Formats: sequence, structure tokens, C-alpha cells
Amino acid sequence: DQQVKQNSPSLSVQEGRISILNCDYTNSMFDYFLWYKKYPAEGPTFLISISSIKDKNEDGRFTVFLNKSAKHLSLHIVPSQPGDSAVYFCAASFFTGNQFYFGTGTSLTVIP
Amino acid sequence: GAGVSQSPSNKVTEKGKDVELRCDPISGHTALYWYRQSLGQGLEFLIYFQGNSAPDKSGLPSDRFSAERTGGSVSTLTIQRTQQEDSAVYLCASSQSEAGETQYFGPGTRLLVL
Repeated sequence: DQQVKQNSPSLSVQEGRISILNCDYTNSMFDYFLWYKKYPAEGPTFLISISSIKDKNEDGRFTVFLNKSAKHLSLHIVPSQPGDSAVYFCAASFFTGNQFYFGTGTSLTVIP
Repeated sequence: GAGVSQSPSNKVTEKGKDVELRCDPISGHTALYWYRQSLGQGLEFLIYFQGNSAPDKSGLPSDRFSAERTGGSVSTLTIQRTQQEDSAVYLCASSQSEAGETQYFGPGTRLLVL
């Protein structure tokens, strides 16, 4: 049973525009969320995280929004760049836990 | 500095054979994780090592899967009597200490069982 879902397997965005990647989760006890970026033939790399006490965390062009009531988080990339083209995974965990539950990923293509 | 490394990068084997996958975590990282990504699936947790504590094996899909971590560093994931459904990318990650820390992933081992 997939506890973290990314319902859009792919997304295409023009360079300079905003990319919005979405993630939904089912377990309301999750209290720590992360986004990873993965290029082909490489392992995922950590991008940005948010704990459940916040509803927004920003790092440069990347902002993660958390809506706990909707059990939804999103990653905004603005402005999008061609180098952002990759697969983006969201993940959720319990802050004191040792397992991360990953979505299936969204493949982002930024068109020059 | 050196990141997490995994070997081999690719492995093709015949159904029924045993395979061993190796992970070298970042030096000093006490936590080590194994994950599996099958086609169209999310990353699936397999096993977690933290220091000298007993590993959390709750994600291992069957008793054909086992893992060791020698000396608190290098880890080996062993799959016995491989099946075609074992074909996946096996990813190793390490983190500095406590659970909840961000994890640094290796490039993965792509396993294909024919």
C-alpha cells in the first residue's frame, strides 16, 4: 500500500516558468518530509525538507509547501532551468523513525 | 569528499543464483540503509543499520534477502536463489547519526535476473 503518492509521473515546463510538483500522503502521523532529485544513472540527492511544525520552507529557487489538513505537499521551482530536468521523489517519515516512505517520482522536463 | 559507493554498478544473473551487492558508506556515518526501486515503484525500504544496534530488517521481502554490516562500515546485501521479480535498482544510503537525518545515496546497483 503506497503511503506516499505522486500522481503525476511526468511534467514539462518552459524554462523560466514555475514548476510545481505534488505529493500526497495517507498517514497523518508523518511529521517530516523530504524531496530528492535523481538524475539518470545516479542515486537520489537530497533537495529540501520540511517538518510538520512548518507550512513552508524555502531554499533559493526551491520552496516546499506543506498542507497538513489535506495531507499534501508540493515543491515549487522558480524559475525553472534546464538543469532541473530530473526525477523528483517526495518522501515522508516519522521524525524519530528509521524508515522513509517514498513516492514513485515525477519526471520533470524543463524545455529551453 | 567521497560519497557512498556501490558495487557492482550492474549485475546480470540467472534465476536461482545468489548475488551479493556491496555498499561503502560515507566515512563516519553510523546509519546505513538499503532500498530497492523496481520499475514503476517508489523506493522500497529494505533494511537499516544504526551503529552496533540490531538492524531493522522489517523491509526485507523474504528470507532469501539478508544483509550484513561489518565493522560498522561496509555492508553487503545478499539475495539467495534470485527470482525475476528481484530485478530492480538496489540503492544504499548513509546518514551521519540519528534517524530523520537526510540520507546520502549511492548510485545504485542495477540487478537483472534472467
